[in-house]
Amino acid sequence: DAGVTQSPTHLIKTRGQQVTLRCSPKSGHDTVSWYQQALGQGPQFIFQYYEEEERQRGNFPDRFSGHQFPNYSSELNVNALLLGDSALYLCASSLGRGSAPLHFGNGTRLTVT
Amino acid sequence: AQSVTQPDIHITVSEGASLELRCNYSYGATPYLFWYVQSPGQGLQLLLKYFSGDTLVQGIKGFEAEFKRSQSSFNLRKPSVHWSDAAEYFCAVGAAGAGSYQLTFGKGTKLSVIP
Repeated sequence: DAGVTQSPTHLIKTRGQQVTLRCSPKSGHDTVSWYQQALGQGPQFIFQYYEEEERQRGNFPDRFSGHQFPNYSSELNVNALLLGDSALYLCASSLGRGSAPLHFGNGTRLTVT
Repeated sequence: AQSVTQPDIHITVSEGASLELRCNYSYGATPYLFWYVQSPGQGLQLLLKYFSGDTLVQGIKGFEAEFKRSQSSFNLRKPSVHWSDAAEYFCAVGAAGAGSYQLTFGKGTKLSVIP
């Protein structure tokens, strides 16, 4: 039974570019959450998707957007990258609307130069 | 708004010694509390969670945590630490609302284990 899978594992981008990160939830899960973890910090909530809609957003600018597909997989898009966007981006999945994200992927390490 | 404080940035213990990692939370209602562990370069693994009921919660890998409402604490404990427990530990408080769920994490405590 595959857990939460994220791709790519590492990514290097230049300031001003755009990036797309991908997440496949654990089998049977229908809710996906995204978190940003800066170096030396705890993860911070970006948003949660359920039934292909963004249900709640944390304190992140509109440069951060997402999408959930009918198969429950999800993408996180970040536009106009800043140096401060360098972080580990974690995806978590769960079952049901408003469910707690108990299962996390290994993350995508984004470096912006 | 909810918040979590982990007062200890770094703790070093000897293998076989007992361990207690501190966590204090701020939340206006009954909290949902979690402990996660993160090994270098890895994602988060859930150790245990508290939603309601018995305030002493058992988790995986021999960990337990006790919810103390009067102290707004949810400290993680292990009676005998193994070298493989060296990792970073995060406490989180969960908030449900408007059909979604958000975790607020502390800044983490890094655990080093001396053989």
